[in-house]
Amino acid sequence: GAVVSQHPSRVICKSGTSVKIECRSLDFQATTMFWYRQFPKQSLMLMATSNEGSKATYEQGVEKDKFLINHASLTLSTLTVTSAHPEDSSFYICSARDPGGSTEAFFGQGTRLTVV
Amino acid sequence: AQSVTQLDSHVSVSEGTPVLLRCNYSSSYSPSLFWYVQHPNKGLQLLLKYTSAATLVKGINGFEAEFKKSETSFHLTKPSAHMSDAAEYFCVVSLSGGYNKLIFGAGTRLAVHP
Repeated sequence: GAVVSQHPSRVICKSGTSVKIECRSLDFQATTMFWYRQFPKQSLMLMATSNEGSKATYEQGVEKDKFLINHASLTLSTLTVTSAHPEDSSFYICSARDPGGSTEAFFGQGTRLTVV
Repeated sequence: AQSVTQLDSHVSVSEGTPVLLRCNYSSSYSPSLFWYVQHPNKGLQLLLKYTSAATLVKGINGFEAEFKKSETSFHLTKPSAHMSDAAEYFCVVSLSGGYNKLIFGAGTRLAVHP
């Protein structure tokens, strides 16, 4: 199946700093990628839909100025957590679908963000 | 509105015994339904999917699920649990009938004991 690579897998940052998470489709072009957030022992919650070449669509309650999404190419979407705070600590996962192949959604490995 | 309810937050079985993870859905349209598995600190892997074809869906690693419209259920089963099956399992419904927007259930943590 197609591969989605997410980097970094773990990051620890200080309060007030910004952190960038990358999501790459390695062997297919993804016009749309999705960013999810998962709190401990909870399910995944969709944060935003990343569209190549246009603005991301954010879910209700997600601050777009806090979670900046850039989808500048067909294989890369980035999520930047700006001015991070401890409550932003979470597991972030991206996914993408290969429009030219299976309708399956492929997920990245996830990024564990800890803000201290 | 679409929603997914996983009826058990934790399930514990002995190795070699059957597994049943329950899922009920609510959808205004003919849904697409999926089961994903997540091992600790890892991404999600698709186990199987239902997209209005056969109601009994076979997936990877011996898992299968049956779509029952009358019961609005999509329970995941496996005849014989293996230690490596211990993980978090998510039942998922698609909003658009494809993969554009996925709604996740709360998850069921499966423990397998020797």
